[in-house]
Amino acid sequence: DAGVTQSPTHLIKTRGQQVTLRCSPKSGHDTVSWYQQALGQGPQFIFQYYEEEERQRGNFPDRFSGHQYPNYSSELNVNALLLGDSALYLCASSLVWESKGELFFGEGSRLTVL
Amino acid sequence: AQKITQTQPGMFVQEKEAVTLDCTYDTSDPSYGLFWYKQPSSGEMIFLIYQGSYDQQNATEGRYSLNFQKARKSANLVISASQLGDSAMYFCAMREGPPSNTGKLIFGQGTTLQVKP
Repeated sequence: DAGVTQSPTHLIKTRGQQVTLRCSPKSGHDTVSWYQQALGQGPQFIFQYYEEEERQRGNFPDRFSGHQYPNYSSELNVNALLLGDSALYLCASSLVWESKGELFFGEGSRLTVL
Repeated sequence: AQKITQTQPGMFVQEKEAVTLDCTYDTSDPSYGLFWYKQPSSGEMIFLIYQGSYDQQNATEGRYSLNFQKARKSANLVISASQLGDSAMYFCAMREGPPSNTGKLIFGQGTTLQVKP
């Protein structure tokens, strides 16, 4: 049973560029959430996708956008990269009607902006 | 105001001893869930234990137990019989609202635990 997989694992970009991160949820899961984790900090919620629509959004600018495909996989896009966007980006999946609401996380994509 | 507070940036424990990691939370929602995750250096967040606001008993999962004191709004994680592999960052997190709100967790700043041989 495959868990949450993310790609790429590491990438380096320069300021002003755009980046796309990808996530495949755990088998059977229908909801994908994205988090940003700066070094030494706890993860911060970016947004959540369910049924191919953005369902909830955290306090992040419009430069952060996403997409969910019919197979439940998801992408996170960040435009006009800033140095402060350097972080570990975590994808998490869940089943919307699961009793605990447990999230399963991937290993993350580590983005460095130079 | 911080919704999740972890006041211990770093903790040390001797192998085979028990350790308690502190977590306090703040919410006005009567329905919420509390989670603990472990994050090793690889980066993956590993689920440890869950406590729902309406659960009558403290949650336990193997060597992990959650000391839930609702009136004090605290949800401390107790790890019994510490192992060297327990060395990692530990995060307390909260979901506000029912489980259908899953996906939007609020995390604390984390506690780094080091287990000494």
